[in-house]
Amino acid sequence: KQEVTQIPAALSVPEGENLVLNCSFTDSAIYNLQWFRQDPGKGLTSLLLIQSSQREQTSGRLNASLDKSSGRSTLYIAASQPGDSATYLCAVRQWNRDDKIIFGKGTRLHILP
Amino acid sequence: EAQVTQNPRYLITVTGKKLTVTCSQNMNHEYMSWYRQDPGLGLRQIYYSMNVEVTDKGDVPEGYKVSRKEKRNFPLILESPSPNQTSLYFCASSSTGSNPGELFFGEGSRLTVL
Repeated sequence: KQEVTQIPAALSVPEGENLVLNCSFTDSAIYNLQWFRQDPGKGLTSLLLIQSSQREQTSGRLNASLDKSSGRSTLYIAASQPGDSATYLCAVRQWNRDDKIIFGKGTRLHILP
Repeated sequence: EAQVTQNPRYLITVTGKKLTVTCSQNMNHEYMSWYRQDPGLGLRQIYYSMNVEVTDKGDVPEGYKVSRKEKRNFPLILESPSPNQTSLYFCASSSTGSNPGELFFGEGSRLTVL
């Protein structure tokens, strides 16, 4: 059964620092991996989607990488800002008959002004 | 504008009173899904649908029903709600195929069952 883990559960860093969020998964048979941002009480906003054949995707200050063989993905945030404070979730879409999408529990990020 | 629309956004009801949460998407997506989000448990999939008239159970389907009679709509039905179904509910959709597209989420529906 696919398990998705995000460590740490919470992280506080000073404004301006570069940071890396981690996501690991146990079954490498996936279609893709997607990173989301969620503000308190709000919906999920898609940040980056990496297909299984890709190694990384970039959008502005965000860069996501995927290493399917080791079951890992990272989300790199450059020059962090207080507005980046939110919970970040990763989700893997399984490549099998079920086509399930499994979420990690997220990393709660707080950027200190 | 591409979007997933859920209604109602907020609802307080009583045990046993049937309710339906609607979900509609305007992106012609084949795949639609319902999740619930609870503190400490994260997002858990309730039901999903790969296309019209095709639905499958997720990880926590007990107490819920769904139907997919049209491609754009995927309502979630609680026949006899109980307090343990108090939660934040999300509907999501995406394209499918050999390179499934990104998952788009609705704004969420906060349900309280007294």
